[in-house]
Amino acid sequence: SQQGEEDPQALSIQEGENATMNCSYKTSINNLQWYRQNSGRGLVHLILIRSNEREKHSGRLRVTLDTSKKSSSLLITASRAADTASYFCATANTDKLIFGTGTRLQVFP
Amino acid sequence: DAGITQSPRHKVTETGTPVTLRCHQTENHRYMYWYRQDPGHGLRLIHYSYGVKDTDKGEVSDGYSVSRSKTEDFLLTLESATSSQTSVYFCAISPRTASSYEQYFGPGTRLTVT
Repeated sequence: SQQGEEDPQALSIQEGENATMNCSYKTSINNLQWYRQNSGRGLVHLILIRSNEREKHSGRLRVTLDTSKKSSSLLITASRAADTASYFCATANTDKLIFGTGTRLQVFP
Repeated sequence: DAGITQSPRHKVTETGTPVTLRCHQTENHRYMYWYRQDPGHGLRLIHYSYGVKDTDKGEVSDGYSVSRSKTEDFLLTLESATSSQTSVYFCAISPRTASSYEQYFGPGTRLTVT
Protein backbone atom coordinates (compact mmCIF):
# COMPACT_ATOMS: atom_id res chain seq x y z
CA SER A 1 0.00 0.00 0.00
CA GLN A 2 1.13 3.55 -0.65
CA GLN A 3 2.45 5.58 2.24
CA GLY A 4 2.01 8.94 0.55
CA GLU A 5 -1.04 10.24 -1.22
CA GLU A 6 -0.70 13.34 -3.35
CA ASP A 7 -3.43 15.85 -3.93
CA PRO A 8 -4.54 16.90 -6.46
CA GLN A 9 -3.97 14.06 -8.90
CA ALA A 10 -3.74 16.56 -11.75
CA LEU A 11 -3.21 20.32 -11.90
CA SER A 12 -3.28 22.70 -14.87
CA ILE A 13 -2.03 26.28 -14.59
CA GLN A 14 -0.70 29.12 -16.72
CA GLU A 15 2.95 30.12 -16.84
CA GLY A 16 3.79 32.53 -14.05
CA GLU A 17 1.24 31.12 -11.63
CA ASN A 18 2.14 29.21 -8.51
CA ALA A 19 1.52 25.48 -8.20
CA THR A 20 0.83 23.78 -4.88
CA MET A 21 0.82 20.03 -4.37
CA ASN A 22 0.02 18.25 -1.13
CA CYS A 23 1.14 14.93 0.28
CA SER A 24 -0.31 13.00 3.19
CA TYR A 25 1.28 9.98 4.79
CA LYS A 26 0.39 7.42 7.43
CA THR A 27 3.32 6.48 9.68
CA SER A 28 6.24 8.19 11.36
CA ILE A 29 9.05 9.27 9.09
CA ASN A 30 12.73 10.19 9.19
CA ASN A 31 12.46 12.50 6.20
CA LEU A 32 10.21 13.30 3.26
CA GLN A 33 11.42 13.87 -0.27
CA TRP A 34 9.93 15.27 -3.46
CA TYR A 35 10.81 14.00 -6.92
CA ARG A 36 9.95 15.11 -10.45
CA GLN A 37 9.41 12.82 -13.41
CA ASN A 38 9.29 14.07 -16.96
CA SER A 39 7.34 11.92 -19.39
CA GLY A 40 9.25 8.75 -20.28
CA ARG A 41 12.15 9.52 -17.94
CA GLY A 42 13.41 8.46 -14.54
CA LEU A 43 12.67 10.38 -11.38
CA VAL A 44 14.83 13.33 -10.35
CA HIS A 45 15.32 14.29 -6.72
CA LEU A 46 14.15 17.84 -5.96
CA ILE A 47 14.31 18.43 -2.23
CA LEU A 48 14.47 16.63 1.12
CA ILE A 49 13.00 17.82 4.39
CA ARG A 50 13.85 16.12 7.66
CA SER A 51 11.27 15.30 10.31
CA ASN A 52 12.60 18.03 12.62
CA GLU A 53 12.31 20.72 9.94
CA ARG A 54 9.15 22.68 9.13
CA GLU A 55 10.07 24.49 5.94
CA LYS A 56 12.75 24.34 3.31
CA HIS A 57 13.51 26.33 0.18
CA SER A 58 15.43 25.54 -2.97
CA GLY A 59 15.26 28.08 -5.79
CA ARG A 60 11.57 28.35 -6.80
CA LEU A 61 10.63 25.39 -4.60
CA ARG A 62 9.23 25.67 -1.10
CA VAL A 63 8.43 22.58 0.94
CA THR A 64 6.61 22.48 4.25
CA LEU A 65 6.22 19.59 6.62
CA ASP A 66 3.66 19.20 9.41
CA THR A 67 4.41 15.98 11.28
CA SER A 68 1.42 16.43 13.59
CA LYS A 69 -0.89 16.28 10.56
CA LYS A 70 1.36 13.87 8.66
CA SER A 71 1.32 16.12 5.63
CA SER A 72 3.67 18.05 3.36
CA SER A 73 3.23 20.56 0.59
CA LEU A 74 5.36 21.50 -2.40
CA LEU A 75 5.01 25.00 -3.80
CA ILE A 76 6.50 25.89 -7.17
CA THR A 77 6.51 29.66 -7.63
CA ALA A 78 6.39 31.48 -10.96
CA SER A 79 5.89 28.27 -12.87
CA ARG A 80 7.32 27.69 -16.34
CA ALA A 81 6.27 25.40 -19.18
CA ALA A 82 9.39 23.34 -18.39
CA ASP A 83 7.90 22.52 -14.97
CA THR A 84 5.34 20.30 -16.71
CA ALA A 85 5.92 16.88 -15.17
CA SER A 86 4.64 14.47 -12.54
CA TYR A 87 5.65 15.16 -8.95
CA PHE A 88 5.95 12.49 -6.29
CA CYS A 89 6.42 12.64 -2.56
CA ALA A 90 8.35 9.85 -0.88
CA THR A 91 8.66 9.08 2.80
CA ALA A 92 11.60 7.39 4.51
CA ASN A 93 11.93 5.90 7.92
CA THR A 94 14.34 3.03 7.21
CA ASP A 95 16.47 2.11 4.21
CA LYS A 96 13.46 2.34 1.93
CA LEU A 97 11.45 5.09 0.31
CA ILE A 98 7.71 4.74 -0.12
CA PHE A 99 6.30 6.77 -2.97
CA GLY A 100 2.91 8.30 -3.46
CA THR A 101 0.94 8.07 -6.67
CA GLY A 102 1.94 11.53 -7.87
CA THR A 103 0.48 14.81 -9.10
CA ARG A 104 0.52 15.53 -12.83
CA LEU A 105 1.30 19.21 -13.39
CA GLN A 106 0.63 20.87 -16.73
CA VAL A 107 1.91 24.41 -17.21
CA PHE A 108 0.53 26.18 -20.26
CA PRO A 109 2.60 28.90 -22.00
CA ASP B 1 21.65 10.57 -14.93
CA ALA B 2 24.09 10.25 -12.01
CA GLY B 3 26.14 7.48 -13.64
CA ILE B 4 23.42 4.87 -13.70
CA THR B 5 22.37 2.83 -16.72
CA GLN B 6 19.78 0.15 -17.32
CA SER B 7 19.71 -2.54 -19.95
CA PRO B 8 17.82 -3.37 -21.97
CA ARG B 9 15.74 -0.20 -22.32
CA HIS B 10 12.89 -2.03 -24.00
CA LYS B 11 12.00 -5.71 -24.04
CA VAL B 12 9.10 -7.78 -25.28
CA THR B 13 8.94 -11.33 -24.05
CA GLU B 14 6.49 -14.20 -23.88
CA THR B 15 4.71 -15.51 -20.81
CA GLY B 16 6.73 -18.17 -19.03
CA THR B 17 10.16 -17.07 -20.24
CA PRO B 18 12.90 -15.89 -17.85
CA VAL B 19 13.99 -12.26 -18.09
CA THR B 20 16.94 -10.48 -16.52
CA LEU B 21 17.23 -6.72 -16.25
CA ARG B 22 20.56 -5.11 -15.45
CA CYS B 23 21.36 -1.96 -13.51
CA HIS B 24 24.89 -0.61 -13.65
CA GLN B 25 26.31 2.31 -11.64
CA THR B 26 29.60 4.15 -11.74
CA GLU B 27 29.05 6.11 -8.49
CA ASN B 28 30.17 3.39 -6.05
CA HIS B 29 26.98 3.93 -4.02
CA ARG B 30 26.20 1.32 -1.42
CA TYR B 31 22.43 1.09 -1.91
CA MET B 32 20.64 -0.04 -5.05
CA TYR B 33 16.90 -0.45 -5.61
CA TRP B 34 14.51 -1.94 -8.13
CA TYR B 35 11.05 -0.41 -8.57
CA ARG B 36 8.17 -0.97 -10.90
CA GLN B 37 5.88 1.84 -12.04
CA ASP B 38 2.32 1.19 -13.08
CA PRO B 39 -0.54 3.61 -13.74
CA GLY B 40 -2.43 4.38 -10.55
CA HIS B 41 0.21 2.81 -8.31
CA GLY B 42 3.14 5.16 -8.48
CA LEU B 43 6.49 3.49 -7.80
CA ARG B 44 6.56 0.27 -5.79
CA LEU B 45 9.73 -1.26 -4.39
CA ILE B 46 10.54 -4.78 -5.59
CA HIS B 47 13.91 -5.52 -3.96
CA TYR B 48 16.85 -3.54 -2.73
CA SER B 49 20.49 -4.12 -1.87
CA TYR B 50 22.56 -2.56 0.91
CA GLY B 51 25.87 -4.08 -0.16
CA VAL B 52 27.45 -6.83 -2.22
CA LYS B 53 25.45 -10.02 -1.68
CA ASP B 54 23.15 -8.18 0.79
CA THR B 55 19.58 -7.88 -0.45
CA ASP B 56 16.10 -7.58 1.00
CA LYS B 57 12.53 -7.71 -0.21
CA GLY B 58 10.31 -4.78 -0.95
CA GLU B 59 6.57 -4.36 -1.21
CA VAL B 60 6.03 -6.39 -4.41
CA SER B 61 8.79 -9.02 -4.44
CA ASP B 62 6.77 -12.12 -5.42
CA GLY B 63 7.90 -13.48 -8.79
CA TYR B 64 11.18 -11.55 -8.73
CA SER B 65 14.70 -12.33 -7.56
CA VAL B 66 17.82 -10.18 -7.43
CA SER B 67 21.54 -10.60 -7.24
CA ARG B 68 24.44 -8.28 -6.52
CA SER B 69 27.86 -9.83 -6.94
CA LYS B 70 29.64 -6.51 -7.54
CA THR B 71 29.09 -3.04 -6.14
CA GLU B 72 28.29 -1.65 -9.58
CA ASP B 73 25.76 -4.22 -10.80
CA PHE B 74 22.30 -5.13 -9.53
CA LEU B 75 20.34 -7.70 -11.52
CA LEU B 76 16.58 -8.23 -11.44
CA THR B 77 15.30 -11.59 -12.67
CA LEU B 78 11.78 -12.62 -13.51
CA GLU B 79 12.01 -16.39 -13.27
CA SER B 80 8.89 -17.01 -15.37
CA ALA B 81 7.41 -13.82 -16.73
CA THR B 82 3.66 -13.21 -16.45
CA SER B 83 1.47 -10.57 -18.09
CA SER B 84 1.02 -8.88 -14.70
CA GLN B 85 4.74 -8.10 -14.77
CA THR B 86 4.31 -5.87 -17.80
CA SER B 87 5.55 -2.56 -16.43
CA VAL B 88 8.26 0.06 -16.47
CA TYR B 89 11.14 -0.93 -14.21
CA PHE B 90 13.42 1.64 -12.61
CA CYS B 91 16.69 1.14 -10.85
CA ALA B 92 17.86 3.65 -8.28
CA ILE B 93 21.04 4.17 -6.29
CA SER B 94 21.75 5.98 -3.06
CA PRO B 95 24.82 6.69 -0.95
CA ARG B 96 22.51 6.44 2.05
CA THR B 97 24.86 8.19 4.44
CA ALA B 98 23.79 9.97 7.60
CA SER B 99 23.47 13.18 5.62
CA SER B 100 22.31 11.87 2.26
CA TYR B 101 19.15 9.89 1.76
CA GLU B 102 18.20 10.86 -1.76
CA GLN B 103 17.97 8.35 -4.55
CA TYR B 104 19.15 8.71 -8.14
CA PHE B 105 17.19 6.97 -10.83
CA GLY B 106 18.10 5.29 -14.06
CA PRO B 107 16.20 5.87 -17.33
CA GLY B 108 13.93 2.84 -16.94
CA THR B 109 13.24 -0.40 -18.80
CA ARG B 110 9.89 -0.89 -20.47
CA LEU B 111 8.99 -4.59 -20.29
CA THR B 112 6.04 -6.09 -22.13
CA VAL B 113 5.02 -9.68 -21.44
CA THR B 114 2.73 -11.09 -24.12
